[in-house]
Amino acid sequence: QVQLQESGPGLVQPSETLSLVCTVSGVSIKNYYWNWIRQPPGKGLEWVAFISNSGSTNYNPSLNGRGTISVDTSKNQIYLRLTSLTPADTAVYYCARGYRSGYFDWGQGTLVTVSS
Amino acid sequence: QSALTQPPSTSGSPGQSVTISCTGTSNDVGGYNYVSWYQQHPDKAPKLIIYEVSRRPSGVPDRFSASKSGNTASLTVSGLQADDEAYYYCISYAGSDSWVFGGGTKLTVL
Repeated sequence: QVQLQESGPGLVQPSETLSLVCTVSGVSIKNYYWNWIRQPPGKGLEWVAFISNSGSTNYNPSLNGRGTISVDTSKNQIYLRLTSLTPADTAVYYCARGYRSGYFDWGQGTLVTVSS
Repeated sequence: QSALTQPPSTSGSPGQSVTISCTGTSNDVGGYNYVSWYQQHPDKAPKLIIYEVSRRPSGVPDRFSASKSGNTASLTVSGLQADDEAYYYCISYAGSDSWVFGGGTKLTVL
């Protein structure tokens, strides 16, 4: 059974950098594709970033180059780094396993609030 | 990347059927058979209920069905039950390892 667990700082100051971790159990992350998806409070879902099993990445253009997704296969973890945060980045951030067909497994999400 | 268009809300009585539409373009919904649907209850993570336009993951009741015609995908929930009350989101692959999401539809079971 695949389990995903996101973790993060909770509260971040504007203009600072966010670092999130998704810890995966039940499968080896090197065999699958991974994504970060976010959901602002009371709003819909938004794709953030993607990384393939070969390490290729892609990002939502709305991030304007502020995002970096990476993995550590030895720790079975996926990371998201988001710089120059603004209140508009306040959201629940989910990691999810999947590719073109759909997102088959999701974490429970971690709330990130950008505020001074 | 423009978002997919879903109706903000829909409703139905127990036992009835409802259909939720998801309209995109030839660059996403119409161009790939990679539309998926998700159910999200309040304060919960989304759950995949349909993938590759019309396929159901193991454990998803056959009351959930879906299809696609041109640039519009549709999700039908039959035999409505109280627990079906949730938000439903469509997602489409848009090529070059990118995705577009629908804005979500709130399904109310009356």
